[in-house]
Amino acid sequence: DGGITQSPKYLFRKEGQNVTLSCEQNLNHDAMYWYRQDPGQGLRLIYYSQIVNDFQKGDIAEGYSVSREKKESFPLTVTSAQKNPTAFYLCASSLLGVSKETQYFGPGTRLLVL
Amino acid sequence: AQTVTQSQPEMSVQEAETVTLSCTYDTSESNYYLFWYKQPPSRQMILVIRQEAYKQQNATENRFSVNFQKAAKSFSLKISDSQLGDTAMYFCAFMKRPQGGSEKLVFGKGTKLTVNP
Repeated sequence: DGGITQSPKYLFRKEGQNVTLSCEQNLNHDAMYWYRQDPGQGLRLIYYSQIVNDFQKGDIAEGYSVSREKKESFPLTVTSAQKNPTAFYLCASSLLGVSKETQYFGPGTRLLVL
Repeated sequence: AQTVTQSQPEMSVQEAETVTLSCTYDTSESNYYLFWYKQPPSRQMILVIRQEAYKQQNATENRFSVNFQKAAKSFSLKISDSQLGDTAMYFCAFMKRPQGGSEKLVFGKGTKLTVNP
């Protein structure tokens, strides 16, 4: 089955701790994205990557970091610099090319601060 | 910057009836895409329907159809024969047409739809 997987489903972070959220896709998609969802809000873009070893900041990149060492994987690290990390995090992926850019989402990771 | 507005925070409909969710957007772009995504209680974001701005014909996908009014910058979603499984948050989203790369989705705040038996 092709799809996007995210792990873990729930993640707890202690003060001052860095945590990493996993996102893997087997759709052979070129681009991958990380969005954050807060209660009562739509999604906001954190980072995105169009190609291996390259990524760009989105609207709310402060306190987050990413890597793209493989086409299939785009992990997100929430650093201690992110002062309000409690949110639902969604990973998405898409092809590149005219009329192919629809983004498909994984099941999400809920991050809570202890 | 683009903005997306969903003016109905919550709506309800009886099973088998029809409901329309509203969405307006603001942009200076002429080439773009519009989407409706559904987020059920599982919180997985699921694509419902997509519209390309240069196409005049409204998109349809089974029981889901849109009314795209480009001049008015309006993009409403009509759900026919509502089913209990349609209960979810519905998000309207905008994307500039990418120029060889990728673009972000800009989301509205969502409409919570409840289908009653």
